[in-house]
Amino acid sequence: DQQVKQNSPSLSVQEGRISILNCDYTNSMFDYFLWYKKYPAEGPTFLISISSIKDKNEDGRFTVFLNKSAKHLSLHIVPSQPGDSAVYFCAASGGNFNKFYFGSGTKLNVKP
Amino acid sequence: DSGVTQTPKHLITATGQRVTLRCSPRSGDLSVYWYQQSLDQGLQFLIQYYNGEERAKGNILERFSAQQFPDLHSELNLSSLELGDSALYFCASSRRGDRGKETQYFGPGTRLLVL
Repeated sequence: DQQVKQNSPSLSVQEGRISILNCDYTNSMFDYFLWYKKYPAEGPTFLISISSIKDKNEDGRFTVFLNKSAKHLSLHIVPSQPGDSAVYFCAASGGNFNKFYFGSGTKLNVKP
Repeated sequence: DSGVTQTPKHLITATGQRVTLRCSPRSGDLSVYWYQQSLDQGLQFLIQYYNGEERAKGNILERFSAQQFPDLHSELNLSSLELGDSALYFCASSRRGDRGKETQYFGPGTRLLVL
């Protein structure tokens, strides 16, 4: 039961351009969403989060957009840099427990 | 460095065996979570402990068990291992974890290979 889906396993972008990573969820009870970045041989690293009371959250080059009616969130990276090349996971949770459901990840490759 | 440590980094064992994975959370974090990541899969939540007590359970097999000790470190025990148990096992911690909306910080993972 995949409640959080990342339908694009990979994405390739030129340095300096925008990277858009997408994530869909099915559970309407989810009210907190996060993006994690993962480099090879390392654990996931927290990037940015958004609560369902907002539709946008920005942190430097990273912006997360939430469309609750479509049950869709996206991560925008502008401008993309080669160091952004990694696997990006979206995660969602709801209710009182801190139990997260993760997507399968999107591998971003930023070409110099 | 997230402050979460996991040992061992790599583990190779045979089918039918039992292994123990260890996790030390960030200083001050009361909650520990275990995740499994199989090849090309997302992270599957296994189990959460909060201040020594089991808090939430995910897709954890009956052959697997975990506990959190008084010093807050946690161990994940995997028994009667099968080839399909080969995966990356991550531990994460958070300050409380009982009210949602809290970032989890991940360790570097233990790569388990069952031959």
